Amino acid sequence: KAGVTQTPRYLIKTRGQQVTLSCSPISGHRSVSWYQQTPGQGLQFLFEYFSETQRNKGNFPGRFSGRQFSNSRSEMNVSTLELGDSALYLCASSLAWTGLGSPLHFGNGTRLTVT
Amino acid sequence: AQSVSQHNHHVILSEAASLELGCNYSYGGTVNLFWYVQYPGQHLQLLLKYFSGDPLVKGIKGFEAEFIKSKFSFNLRKPSVQWSDTAEYFCAVLDFGNEKLTFGTGTRLTIIP
Repeated sequence: KAGVTQTPRYLIKTRGQQVTLSCSPISGHRSVSWYQQTPGQGLQFLFEYFSETQRNKGNFPGRFSGRQFSNSRSEMNVSTLELGDSALYLCASSLAWTGLGSPLHFGNGTRLTVT
Repeated sequence: AQSVSQHNHHVILSEAASLELGCNYSYGGTVNLFWYVQYPGQHLQLLLKYFSGDPLVKGIKGFEAEFIKSKFSFNLRKPSVQWSDTAEYFCAVLDFGNEKLTFGTGTRLTIIP
């Protein structure tokens, strides 16, 4: 079974631009969560989608948004990029939504660098 | 909001040494507890999890963790580490109150052959 696939692997953007990251979950998984990983901060929860509905969200500004499609694939968008948005963005899928305790399966992440 | 503390940022051990990595969370209520591991160049993967029942849970590769509710702790242990255990380890807590999974900042483990 194929794992979680994130594209692209690397992105370099300039301040003020916007970016879209993509995530394809494991087949059969209906939940997709997004995390921002930075050194010293660990993994910070962005949001979780289950069956195309946002089930939960973290404490990030409205510049961070996401969506999930009917095939469970998900996209995350960051508008008006800031230097502090440079990070590894991780996508994780699970069979059920995280609130039920369903373990996460992570992708390799998208490394975003904002200059 | 729930917070998760991993006080050891970087641990360096020799092969065959015993390992204990600390994990504490901020407040009680019903929780599920997880340890995830990220080996160099690989994605994060589940090491073990605690949902209920026996507070001593066993995971892959000889790892185990003990849930001590009174101490809000879920420490990870391994009696004898190997060079291949070199990785970053993350503790995570699912708080059923807000249904969010919160991760600690991670502990980097380096094993010296």
